[in-house]
Amino acid sequence: EPEVTQTPSHQVTQMGQEVILRCVPISNHLYFYWYRQILGQKVEFLVSFYNNEISEKSEIFDDQFSVERPDGSNFTLKIRSTKLEDSAMYFCASGGSFKWVNEQFFGPGTRLTVL
Amino acid sequence: DQQVKQNSPSLSVQEGRISILNCDYTNSMFDYFLWYKKYPAEGPTFLISISSIKDKNEDGRFTVFLNKSAKHLSLHIVPSQPGDSAVYFCAASTGANNLFFGTGTRLTVIP
Repeated sequence: EPEVTQTPSHQVTQMGQEVILRCVPISNHLYFYWYRQILGQKVEFLVSFYNNEISEKSEIFDDQFSVERPDGSNFTLKIRSTKLEDSAMYFCASGGSFKWVNEQFFGPGTRLTVL
Repeated sequence: DQQVKQNSPSLSVQEGRISILNCDYTNSMFDYFLWYKKYPAEGPTFLISISSIKDKNEDGRFTVFLNKSAKHLSLHIVPSQPGDSAVYFCAASTGANNLFFGTGTRLTVIP
């Protein structure tokens, strides 16, 4: 069964530093997403990506965030200048296959800790 | 953002009995509903989904019921097994767009 993978599993960084979180979506999926979950809170949508461009983004996804699909397999989330409040679990998801049109499949997450 | 609500933070059920997890939503534009299961330090695992054109979808031990007029959905697990113990999230979307998640219900199945 194909799975979404994410690296690293845990990233510790200093406030103000840039981080790149990496994801490999399921290969035949067309839509890619980033979500985050701050400890004790809901899973929140950040951004969706389709056809090599952002299709939707939330208010959280401000100018310090960017996404890229640099090649045919990877999907990355960059946070340019991290803040303490960016500490959270970041989940990548993919969906939009022939079999699973509306379902999204999540990776194991990257725990980002900003000090 | 309270578009999807799970009002029960926790539920305990005896092994073999039925578990019923509930979810309410406010946005009538939602047309697709999903249930996810989550273990600590892991990503949400897709369980079952339902389109707004249906009122029931079944997959093995899992059944999702949708009551559009009440804006309510529920997940039934029968029979419940100890391995079902996890946090269950309902989520809603309009098509393949972003998911709105509830706050989750922690299910404990007692052997």
